[in-house]
Amino acid sequence: DADVTQTPRNRITKTGKRIMLECSQTKGHDRMYWYRQDPGLGLRLIYYSFDVKDINKGEISDGYSVSRQAQAKFSLSLESAIPNQTALYFCATGSWEDGGFTDTQYFGPGTRLTVL
Amino acid sequence: GIQVEQSPPDLILQEGANSTLRCNFSDSVNNLQWFHQNPWGQLINLFYIPSGTKQNGRLSATTVATERYSLLYISSSQTTDSGVYFCAVNTDKLIFGTGTRLQVFP
Repeated sequence: DADVTQTPRNRITKTGKRIMLECSQTKGHDRMYWYRQDPGLGLRLIYYSFDVKDINKGEISDGYSVSRQAQAKFSLSLESAIPNQTALYFCATGSWEDGGFTDTQYFGPGTRLTVL
Repeated sequence: GIQVEQSPPDLILQEGANSTLRCNFSDSVNNLQWFHQNPWGQLINLFYIPSGTKQNGRLSATTVATERYSLLYISSSQTTDSGVYFCAVNTDKLIFGTGTRLQVFP
């Protein structure tokens, strides 16, 4: 089984709809992240969480919200989707200790979201 | 914030050729990772490399943290190496570079 799973893998929705993307991990990592990738560009950080009930804004948090329901689950919501939120969304996990990551970050397979 | 720049932005190779991708970063970081994003969008971990050199088959990476750069070497390239290569530096989160798009033709 994959270490980091994302659901759904693909989603097409309409402007104004509320959308939730879900992420689960089996790595036991404390830190979880949501990234967005636009065509031809690198990944940009939306939100991240160091532990349950700890939420931090990333570079591009406007229009998004998150919930860390458990150590293994981190969901991303688009409250009212708009076309420029069409992108590939990645969830990632990491383990942090003594001022640094103890291991590589693990990425999910991505969710391809299209907002019409 | 930290700036991460990669070069070249695009690279076209014939199968069997070797290449070197470079990643420069503007400040001290805890660590650095290299990823390959395949044509289907999947991100694949290549190296987790704070310093020194690591090798994995035809790929190797070297990070010189004191000089703020890392290099990814691809030897005897294959068509399956095509895709985008990202470096990302760790502070308390990953900051991604702009990527190098590699196309390998038979």
